[in-house]
Amino acid sequence: NAGVTQTPKFQVLKTGQSMTLQCAQDMNHEYMSWYRQDPGMGLRLIHYSVGAGITDQGEVPNGYNVSRSTTEDFPLRLLSAAPSQTSVYFCASSPGTGLAEGAYEKLFFGSGTQLSVL
Amino acid sequence: AQSVAQPEDQVNVAEGNPLTVKCTYSVSGNPYLFWYVQYPNRGLQFLLKYITGDNLVKGSYGFEAEFNKSQTSFHLKKPSALVSDSALYFCAVRDRTGTYKYIFGTGTRLKVLA
Repeated sequence: NAGVTQTPKFQVLKTGQSMTLQCAQDMNHEYMSWYRQDPGMGLRLIHYSVGAGITDQGEVPNGYNVSRSTTEDFPLRLLSAAPSQTSVYFCASSPGTGLAEGAYEKLFFGSGTQLSVL
Repeated sequence: AQSVAQPEDQVNVAEGNPLTVKCTYSVSGNPYLFWYVQYPNRGLQFLLKYITGDNLVKGSYGFEAEFNKSQTSFHLKKPSALVSDSALYFCAVRDRTGTYKYIFGTGTRLKVLA
């Protein structure tokens, strides 16, 4: 199994450009999420999804869009990139939708996308 | 609002000595608690979790963590540190209300000195 795959690994954008960060998982996980990691601020949740067709906002959703048309894929869209979006982005997934105690207990992370916006 | 505090940006410890990485949280009710580790240029890896039951939980690579409800803490510990334990450690919480949001702390860099 490949686990959680993120592409691209590196990206440089100009202010105002748009792009999509891809995230795919092959573990049939229902829960998927996007985080950004910034120095001194840890990981902050951008958006998450508990299944195909269902998405919700995290702590820092502004400037980002997501959709979940399939169980496997959870792309993150930057509509108009800004320098403040320079960061390392991580996608994470987790099995189960949560009737059982401890569901979602373990997140599986991708290797990250380093994004620079000039 | 949920929050997680890791009060130390960096912890230095000599190889072979015990280590503690601190974490306190503010969450209504009884949260799920987690520790993750990040090695350079890698994604985070799960170390251990507290869901319910015994306050001392054991995880990967010899790490353990103690849940203290009265102090709202979940400190990560290891009896004998290895140089290979040097990494960035994150504490995380998720409440039990069904919001499915994990909140992470700011991370603590552990440096184990040979």
